[in-house]
Amino acid sequence: DTGVSQDPRHKITKRGQNVTFRCDPISEHNRLYWYRQTLGQGPEFLTYFQNEAQLEKSRLLSDRFSAERPKGSFSTLEIQRTEQGDSAMYLCASSLGDSENEKLFFGSGTQLSVL
Amino acid sequence: GENVEQHPSTLSVQEGDSAVIKCTYSDSASNYFPWYKQELGKRPQLIIDIRSNVGEKKDQRIAVTLNKTAKHFSLHITETQPEDSAVYFCAASRDNYGQNFVFGPGTRLSVLP
Repeated sequence: DTGVSQDPRHKITKRGQNVTFRCDPISEHNRLYWYRQTLGQGPEFLTYFQNEAQLEKSRLLSDRFSAERPKGSFSTLEIQRTEQGDSAMYLCASSLGDSENEKLFFGSGTQLSVL
Repeated sequence: GENVEQHPSTLSVQEGDSAVIKCTYSDSASNYFPWYKQELGKRPQLIIDIRSNVGEKKDQRIAVTLNKTAKHFSLHITETQPEDSAVYFCAASRDNYGQNFVFGPGTRLSVLP
């Protein structure tokens, strides 16, 4: 499967714990996005990378959230001191980064449950 | 920033009928408008998209229309089938340096056999 892959698929954690998710984009894609989706809502933008540079962050991304894409390939999203309100599906997506080809391809997501 | 609204939130149609979902956007600089289909427990999948220099695009039973002046775009599904049942999301994107996609809240489409 050469699509966007995310790991883990599911994560259950206790409030206050730290969690880290990984995303592997489609190999030739330069742009990588993180979104959060709650039940019955559309994906909400969190942040995006152009290669290894984090170019934009949403106001939704509090200082407990940090994302990296160290070599411009895979990315990690870490949530520190998790809260129950962090429970959601975390979606990663990637695109070529060519303005003529902005098709966004999503991974299957990591479902986070904070108890 | 961009704001995308989507209507209706739920839609039920009989198999074989047409379905129309409408979205409006606020940022006149947005120039790319994709539609995604998300089945329960699965990833959003791109089904059709349109750029601002085109007014209409069609792919088999699916079509999208764009009215830049009014800042709205619509998804049309003809001859609906039960497998079309899913949540559909529209999105708007602007082609600037700091680019992001803004999604609508979704429409749950149910195609009744």
